[in-house]
Amino acid sequence: QVLLAQSGPEVKRPGASVKVSCKTSGYTFADYGVLWVRLAPGQGLEWMGWIGGNTGVTKYAQKFLGRVTMTTDTSTTTAYMEVRNLSFDDTGVYYCARITASIIDFWGLGTLVTVSS
Amino acid sequence: QSALTQPRSVSGSPGQSVTISCTGTSGDVGGFDYVSWFQHHPGKAPKLILYYVDKRPSGVPDRFSGSKSGDTASLTISGLQAEDEGDYYCSSYAGSHSFVFGIGTTVTVL
Repeated sequence: QVLLAQSGPEVKRPGASVKVSCKTSGYTFADYGVLWVRLAPGQGLEWMGWIGGNTGVTKYAQKFLGRVTMTTDTSTTTAYMEVRNLSFDDTGVYYCARITASIIDFWGLGTLVTVSS
Repeated sequence: QSALTQPRSVSGSPGQSVTISCTGTSGDVGGFDYVSWFQHHPGKAPKLILYYVDKRPSGVPDRFSGSKSGDTASLTISGLQAEDEGDYYCSSYAGSHSFVFGIGTTVTVL
């Protein structure tokens, strides 16, 4: 079955970086993209961007341009997202999800990132 | 991009119907038939329940239905059941390979 297994929770200081991984299985990685979404406390889901599974082409939300980098490792069918220069507002749960033809069909369980001094 | 507007909460008794609206603009909801709905229980992965406005993935009960008129999409849950409690989010393609999500609606079964 399709699975997206995300890395464990992280606690970071303001100004630090965090890299979240999303190990995929159960489907042909190259046929789908990986989309990243954040759920901050008291907020709704927020689209951060996505990356093509075969091309590595990326599209970032304007808000995260220059501070977020999405990559993939096709040899391990794993997607990564790095967020730099963290602030308290970056605290939240980060989800990866599979996407094709604008259909976001399978999600990971999320990775809690806490930014605390 | 601004988040899509959803009511913060809706409620209904078992067996009743509830409808959740999702309002965007002509640049997202109104411009494309790529609206999706997700059900989310805290601590679990969000689950796709509708895509392309009104298409149900395999395994999703037909109690869940979708529609769109202008810049507003809607999710209707008919025959409300206890397990339908949770948070519901809409999303839409917003052009130029971008997406936008709604602020989320909490459904309470009374």
